[in-house]
Amino acid sequence: GAGVSQSPRYKVAKRGQDVALRCDPISGHVSLFWYQQALGQGPEFLTYFQNEAQLDKSGLPSDRFFAERPEGSVSTLKIQRTQQEDSAVYLCASSFTGLAGYTFGSGTRLTVV
Amino acid sequence: KNEVEQSPQNLTAQEGEFITINCSYSVGISALHWLQQHPGGGIVSLFMLSSGKKKHGRLIATINIQEKHSSLHITASHPRDSAVYICAVESNTGNQFYFGTGTSLTVIP
Repeated sequence: GAGVSQSPRYKVAKRGQDVALRCDPISGHVSLFWYQQALGQGPEFLTYFQNEAQLDKSGLPSDRFFAERPEGSVSTLKIQRTQQEDSAVYLCASSFTGLAGYTFGSGTRLTVV
Repeated sequence: KNEVEQSPQNLTAQEGEFITINCSYSVGISALHWLQQHPGGGIVSLFMLSSGKKKHGRLIATINIQEKHSSLHITASHPRDSAVYICAVESNTGNQFYFGTGTSLTVIP
């Protein structure tokens, strides 16, 4: 596709529910990043993949958060037993390498009620 | 601890004014990015800098590596420039990225 595609665009989850957020990076982009952006804040780094390898997951806030990219293209961010503090926009970005040609998706707005 | 600090946090300007947004960082970097986020929209990369200055239309970005400081300038500002501008850096010690909290710019006609 022409850009980074994220789905769903909006997600409302009941507290305790599991959610899965999808990111389709630009074809051929090696690097893929997930970020969490709370209202009024800048993006906070969650995790980073190079192809299928998860090189950095230091930003994942708890063991309820899990990300995968099994074939080095599409990535899924899974949040188990969602809590209200998980409400945020989850952004995905991809690039050929590092931040060069870095392109963000439009994000998934998660609201936990 | 914020590795990237931006100022001002909020900025309102009259159309036509010259605008400056500042970014200071505390880590060693391989590159610095200025990003633009429109309300309800995705984020667009405006500039990637590792030294000097870049210009694109009415936007100018500068970086001083020694002082660990960058500025984004907008000349002849226009209401369509209203957005959040975010400074982001790529650490030179590994695959680590840091973001500022953003500067919310409103340009009034």
